[in-house]
Amino acid sequence: GAVVSQHPSRVICKSGTSVKIECRSLDFQATTMFWYRQFPKQSLMLMATSNEGSKATYEQGVEKDKFLINHASLTLSTLTVTSAHPEDSSFYICSAAVRGGVETQYFGPGTRLLVL
Amino acid sequence: GENVEQHPSTLSVQEGDSAVIKCTYSDSASNYFPWYKQELGKRPQLIIDIRSNVGEKKDQRIAVTLNKTAKHFSLHITETQPEDSAVYFCAASFKGGGADGLTFGKGTHLIIQP
Repeated sequence: GAVVSQHPSRVICKSGTSVKIECRSLDFQATTMFWYRQFPKQSLMLMATSNEGSKATYEQGVEKDKFLINHASLTLSTLTVTSAHPEDSSFYICSAAVRGGVETQYFGPGTRLLVL
Repeated sequence: GENVEQHPSTLSVQEGDSAVIKCTYSDSASNYFPWYKQELGKRPQLIIDIRSNVGEKKDQRIAVTLNKTAKHFSLHITETQPEDSAVYFCAASFKGGGADGLTFGKGTHLIIQP
């Protein structure tokens, strides 16, 4: 149980284009989903918290107009990197918290984004 | 905001020996402390977690201790095996009734020498 998927697993795009990443909880309802970014050999940094049916909460320094988050249902959250630039190249990982007050976060497999 | 420090950044131990990784946190309101194991290019996997109302938790070869007064917590792995080699991250968050994002330490690269 508690499986989280992400799509795509890898994406290469040209500078200036937009990329959408999907995060799904496959066998549970996730009231809250989180988006993290991880640069090579570094730690995970929280970008934003996504609650179903409401606006995402962004961490300090993360541009909300550049990283658009939509959490339309209890099993799906999307992250769109708009006008991507090479410095946005990173490993983007989502996690989902099981609805019901349990704190445990389950992570997706990650999406490796390369912007040329 | 919360700040989590993790040491050491790299730890090499002989197979069969124990490994200890230590973390400190800054926000006294934090009350949830998970540990994750991440293999190269893979997702972080939760290996153990502890809440602030508990001082110690053990699961087979893995144990975590928490000292709320000193604001530090540690991961202990006994009888290490080659498959324990990975990067380990500690994290902290405040659980006020819902779910909150995690603040991660910088990670420890654990190397098990055969």
